[in-house]
Amino acid sequence: DQQVKQNSPSLSVQEGRISILNCDYTNSMFDYFLWYKKYPAEGPTFLISISSIKDKNEDGRFTVFLNKSAKHLSLHIVPSQPGDSAVYFCAASDGGGTSYGKLTFGQGTILTVHP
Amino acid sequence: DARVTQTPRHKVTEMGQEVTMRCQPILGHNTVFWYRQTMMQGLELLAYFRNRAPLDDSGMPKDRFSAEMPDATLATLKIQPSEPRDSAVYFCASGKAGGPDTQYFGPGTRLTVL
Repeated sequence: DQQVKQNSPSLSVQEGRISILNCDYTNSMFDYFLWYKKYPAEGPTFLISISSIKDKNEDGRFTVFLNKSAKHLSLHIVPSQPGDSAVYFCAASDGGGTSYGKLTFGQGTILTVHP
Repeated sequence: DARVTQTPRHKVTEMGQEVTMRCQPILGHNTVFWYRQTMMQGLELLAYFRNRAPLDDSGMPKDRFSAEMPDATLATLKIQPSEPRDSAVYFCASGKAGGPDTQYFGPGTRLTVL
């Protein structure tokens, strides 16, 4: 049972354009959401997060949007740069419960930004 | 620059051998997680600890995998005996319970079992 789904295995974008990565979840108890970026041969790096009390969080070129009613979140990267090419993982937590910080990850989306 | 460290970075071994992977969490972090990444399964949670106590190891094949935290600065993941299907990248992550559930990952151990 995949509680966090990233339905697009890959995304290709031109440098300077917007990249939009999507994530859907099924567990209504999730209240904290994160995006991680992963380069080959490295561990995932925390990128940005959002609590369920918000619907938007912005950090520089990265913005995460949360639509609780649709159980959907997205990561926008504007403008996209070749260095953004990586695998992006969406993750979720029901932190207020008994998860003790346990995260559930999506399968990842490979983003390629072309010069 | 606080970060999670993992050793070894690469390990090649033969089937049946014991493999030990080590992780040093970020100082002050009290939750430690072990993940396995394969092509098919994505990031798969194997086990996790809080204040050195194991909370959940249901993701691990119990007959061959074991995870421990001998002290607050060291977490270990052992496979005995190893099998070719254990070949994967194993990540350790740490976090701080009581705050946002953000985990910080180490660089991983790439294990190849021949």
